[in-house]
Amino acid sequence: DVKVTQSSRYLVKRTGEKVFLECVQDMDHENMFWYRQDPGLGLRLIYFSYDVKMKEKGDIPEGYSVSREKKERFSLILESASTNQTSMYLCASSLPAAGTYEQYFGPGTRLTVT
Amino acid sequence: DQQVKQNSPSLSVQEGRISILNCDYTNSMFDYFLWYKKYPAEGPTFLISISSIKDKNEDGRFTVFLNKSAKHLSLHIVPSQPGDSAVYFCAASPTTRDDKIIFGKGTRLHILP
Repeated sequence: DVKVTQSSRYLVKRTGEKVFLECVQDMDHENMFWYRQDPGLGLRLIYFSYDVKMKEKGDIPEGYSVSREKKERFSLILESASTNQTSMYLCASSLPAAGTYEQYFGPGTRLTVT
Repeated sequence: DQQVKQNSPSLSVQEGRISILNCDYTNSMFDYFLWYKKYPAEGPTFLISISSIKDKNEDGRFTVFLNKSAKHLSLHIVPSQPGDSAVYFCAASPTTRDDKIIFGKGTRLHILP
């Protein structure tokens, strides 16, 4: 079974803090993704990575950065958290060779910025 | 501009009846379509998919239909069960190396007893 884990299920941070969200997958997947989910807006792609040290901006990268130093780990960084970054953050991974485009998701981190 | 549209934010269906969730897309370059199911406080889980070369794919109680000329797909669940109550996301992918997929906004399905 593919397992994608995220470091925290719930997180509360203050405005201006630097926030790290960690994601680890155990299936040697090449691609990893960070999304945020907000009511009425669905899943929006923040950043993705298709290889170690590679990253690509998604649809809403502003205010975020990412790091992928190892294949299994993809980190999302909020440089200076703001209240409009309160959201559910979801990490996913996929294997391009599978040809199915299926992404496997972690359980999510609900971040509240006060 | 939304490339994948789920126009019904919510849907209520009696237990045992058929649930039909709809999805429209605008990009004719999409070649693969997926449905994900999401419970509250959990990550989405893959449900079923269909390649653009097919018009139907079935897996147990779940069937996805694709109408390429109308750029429309639908997910049929029959019979609907209480555990089917969840948010359903339609997603589509163009042929790219990075497996990027584009999600719709989701439809919340309520199965009524």
